[in-house]
Parts: sequence; C-alpha cells; structure tokens
Amino acid sequence: NAGVTQTPKFQVLKTGQSMTLQCAQDMNHEYMSWYRQDPGMGLRLIHYSVGAGITDQGEVPNGYNVSRSTTEDFPLRLLSAAPSQTSVYFCASSPTSGGSTDTQYFGPGTRLTVL
Amino acid sequence: GQQVMQIPQYQHVQEGEDFTTYCNSSTTLSNIQWYKQRPGGHPVFLIQLVKSGEVKKQKRLTFQFGEAKKNSSLHITATQTTDVGTYFCDWGTGRRALTFGSGTRLQVQP
Repeated sequence: NAGVTQTPKFQVLKTGQSMTLQCAQDMNHEYMSWYRQDPGMGLRLIHYSVGAGITDQGEVPNGYNVSRSTTEDFPLRLLSAAPSQTSVYFCASSPTSGGSTDTQYFGPGTRLTVL
Repeated sequence: GQQVMQIPQYQHVQEGEDFTTYCNSSTTLSNIQWYKQRPGGHPVFLIQLVKSGEVKKQKRLTFQFGEAKKNSSLHITATQTTDVGTYFCDWGTGRRALTFGSGTRLQVQP
C-alpha cells in the first residue's frame, strides 16, 4: 500500500491564482481530512469527509473547497490564492469517522507559498 | 464547546532528562491518540488509548489515559536527540470532526 499520497510536494502561486491540491489513499478509509499547519503552529482542520459524497467544514474553511466523488480521492481547491494561505497542507485518512478507532494516517504534505 | 488544552507549548531539556506533555479536556473523551512530528515531516501515529486509566509503554515512552477520560499524558524517560519534534494529541468524542491539540515542541540539547 502507498498509504496517503499528496501532490504536488511544493507549489508557488501568485495572489489570485487557483489550484487543486491532490490527495489519494489506497486503504479504503472512510474518513479523510485536510489540515493546514503554519510555521511553529499546530494543525488546523480545513474540511473533512466521512465518506464518498459527504463533506463538511472544519475550523478554517474559508477560501477552500473540497469534493469527495470517490472513496480514494479528496482534492482541496484554492479558489483565489492569498498570501495568508501560505502554509503546509496535510491530508489525512482514518478507517472510521469519529468512532472508536480514529487513528489518522498522514500524507507527506504540500508546501504552498503564495506571493 | 469542548476545550482540549495541550501543555506545555514548548520544552527544552538536556539529553538524559525526562519530559512530559499533557492533554486536558473539559469533557469526557471516547479515545485519544498521540502523534509525533519530526521537524519538516508529517505527523506519525504513536499510540491510541481507549480505556479509562489505561497505561501503555513503547520503550522509553509511557502513555496514560486518566480515570475520568478527560486527560492524557505522554512521558519520555531519559530523552535522546532523536526525540526532538512536536508531540500532538488527537481525540475522538463520537463527533465526526477529529481535532488536534496545539502540540508540544520538544528540543533536546545534546
């Protein structure tokens, strides 16, 4: 199993550009989520999904969209990039959605800089 | 709403000293997970605690879940430079969104 994969690893955008961060998992996990981590800070939840076709907002959803058309993929779209979105983005998956086995498996991250 | 505090935010120790980080909740948790993130890396799962009063050990790491399931601790005995990183707790309450604590950054001076 590849686990959780994220592309690209690094990205530089100009203010106002849009892009999609890709995330895929091959573990048939129901739950997937996106976090951002600013330098020296903790992880803040952007959006999450408890299964294909179901998404919900986390703590900091503004400026981001997600969709979950398949179990495997959970892309994160930046609609109009802003310098405040410069961060490291982590995708994670978990076997269940808030149940008793909530171990999350993280991808390697995408380091995004918005100029 | 639920509040989970992770303390301390940062700790600097000499190699060989012990280290402890705590996650404290205002409400009962169904389970708690601990993760380690090395500098420049991604969070990696360490352990899950589910039962009241549970204690688990991994070599020099000891994890505890409080009797009331409102707090948890991670204790490292005789720290080494390889222990450097940020330690996060993550908890489940039966709600759908899984939430992380702010993390404790550990620096170990050789």
